[in-house]
Amino acid sequence: DAGVTQSPTHLIKTRGQQVTLRCSPKSGHDTVSWYQQALGQGPQFIFQYYEEEERQRGNFPDRFSGHQFPNYSSELNVNALLLGDSALYLCASSLSYQRGGPGETQYFGPGTRLLVL
Amino acid sequence: AQTVTQSQPEMSVQEAETVTLSCTYDTSESDYYLFWYKQPPSRQMILVIRQEAYKQQNATENRFSVNFQKAAKSFSLKISDSQLGDAAMYFCAYRLRSGSRLTFGEGTQLTVNP
Repeated sequence: DAGVTQSPTHLIKTRGQQVTLRCSPKSGHDTVSWYQQALGQGPQFIFQYYEEEERQRGNFPDRFSGHQFPNYSSELNVNALLLGDSALYLCASSLSYQRGGPGETQYFGPGTRLLVL
Repeated sequence: AQTVTQSQPEMSVQEAETVTLSCTYDTSESDYYLFWYKQPPSRQMILVIRQEAYKQQNATENRFSVNFQKAAKSFSLKISDSQLGDAAMYFCAYRLRSGSRLTFGEGTQLTVNP
């Protein structure tokens, strides 16, 4: 049973650049959430995707955008990178209530560590 | 807005002993879930245990159990027979039943001494 996978594992960018992070959900899951975890802090919710639409969004600027594909995989895009965007980006998947799953339980991937110079 | 507070930045325990990690949360809602996640140095966030707020019975998963006090908005994690592999950062998290996001605390770094 494949768990949540993320790519790449590490990434180095410079200020002003754009970055795309990728996530494949756990087998059978249909919902993907993204979190940002700064060093020494708890994860902060960015947004959640379900049925290829953004269902809920946290307190992040429009520079952060996402997409969900028909196979439930997802991308997180960050434009005009700032030094403060350096963090671990976590993807989590879950199976929605609509499909008979315990929608509240999210399973996390290993994360992508982004460094902005 | 819901908030989650973990007042112990660091805790330590001797191998085979028991340790309790504290968590409090603030919400005006009555239907929600609470979770404990473990994040080892590999940074992968691993689900340890979950509790449904409408259930009176405290959740238990092998050596891990919780003490859920709904009125006090307290949700502590007890680890029995601590093992070296339990060393990690532990996060308490809250989720509204009708919501999507997990709200995390600041974490407690647990050290297990041999």
